Amino acid sequence: GESVGLHLPTLSVQEGDNSIINCAYSNSASDYFIWYKQESGKGPQFIIDIRSNMDKRQGQRVTVLLNKTVKHLSLQIAATQPGDSAVYFCAEVNQGGKLIFGQGTELSVKP
Amino acid sequence: ETGVTQSPTHLIKTRGQQVTLRCSSQSGHNTVSWYQQALGQGPQFIFQYYREEENGRGNFPPRFSGLQFPNYSSELNVNALELDDSALYLCASSLDHDAEAFFGQGTRLTVV
Repeated sequence: GESVGLHLPTLSVQEGDNSIINCAYSNSASDYFIWYKQESGKGPQFIIDIRSNMDKRQGQRVTVLLNKTVKHLSLQIAATQPGDSAVYFCAEVNQGGKLIFGQGTELSVKP
Repeated sequence: ETGVTQSPTHLIKTRGQQVTLRCSSQSGHNTVSWYQQALGQGPQFIFQYYREEENGRGNFPPRFSGLQFPNYSSELNVNALELDDSALYLCASSLDHDAEAFFGQGTRLTVV
């Protein structure tokens, strides 16, 4: 069946360092992925997306990499800040816009 | 802020009771999706409403039902509440059924 999972449940980084959050997916037919950030007490917030015809996409301080061969996604956050502390989810978007979320990685930024 | 509002923010119900959760979609959005997020887990898709019709359903029993109104706001109803229904219920609205989804802050439901 379809599933999207994350390799690490928690990640702790020093302020100013780069963070890398990983995600594996199982449906090789998936063609659209989104990374979300969820802060405590809030709903998920869109960070960046990528389609399967790309292997890299950059935003402001964030980069998403897609490796279709091994069905793997990563989110890179440059110069991580305390405000980046949150739970990060990758989600596969299926036909009709249904989101299939992974378990999430909690990012903790140490000052 | 996403412009998607949910009410109430917190709710405590007793096992066996029924609950109704509400969602006001962002202006101009005709699609609302509901998700259940258990503690420490990712959100799980419950169902989606597009122009007042159900447009897809996840693996949830029939006691989870919904409505979408002509103004595109939506309700999620859960009958015969079980302890495992305790979760954060998220509503997301989008401009169309396959467009970017914007999430509300969620309703925290506790079943005791």
